[in-house]
Amino acid sequence: DVKVTQSSRYLVKRTGEKVFLECVQDMDHENMFWYRQDPGLGLRLIYFSYDVKMKEKGDIPEGYSVSREKKERFSLILESASTNQTSMYLCASRSSGAKNIQYFGAGTRLSVL
Amino acid sequence: GESVGLHLPTLSVQEGDNSIINCAYSNSASDYFIWYKQESGKGPQFIIDIRSNMDKRQGQRVTVLLNKTVKHLSLQIAATQPGDSAVYFCAEDTGANSKLTFGKGITLSVRP
Repeated sequence: DVKVTQSSRYLVKRTGEKVFLECVQDMDHENMFWYRQDPGLGLRLIYFSYDVKMKEKGDIPEGYSVSREKKERFSLILESASTNQTSMYLCASRSSGAKNIQYFGAGTRLSVL
Repeated sequence: GESVGLHLPTLSVQEGDNSIINCAYSNSASDYFIWYKQESGKGPQFIIDIRSNMDKRQGQRVTVLLNKTVKHLSLQIAATQPGDSAVYFCAEDTGANSKLTFGKGITLSVRP
């Protein structure tokens, strides 16, 4: 079974803090994704990466950055957290095979106070 | 259908009945579709997929139907069980950079 692990289930941070969300997958997948999920807005893509050290902006990259130093790990960084970044963050990965099935982690619920 | 407000639409079914969850997708160029299930406190989980060259695909207790003419996708769950209670959403692959476009989801509530 594919396993995507997000390091924290719940995080509480203060406005202005630098926040790191970590994601690790164990299936040697090339592609990894970060989404945020908000009520009524569904899943919105923040950033994705199709290879080590490669990254692409998604639909809502503002206020976020990412790091992919190793194939299995994809980190989402909030340089200076703001209250409007309070959300559920979901990491996903997929292989570069024919089917675009993304496998998700359990999510990190981030509250910025 | 898909949610347009803060609250997801809810489908309430009696345990043992069949459920039909609908999704309207946006891009006529999409060639691959996926249904996900998201239980409370968990990440989305793959249920079933279908390519655009098919109009029906069956899994265990689930069937996905695709109508490309009207850009409509449905998920049928046979003999719905309490464990089926979750948010369900569809995703379409337009072939652009590995990205999927997700619907906003529908909550399935199973009455005992």
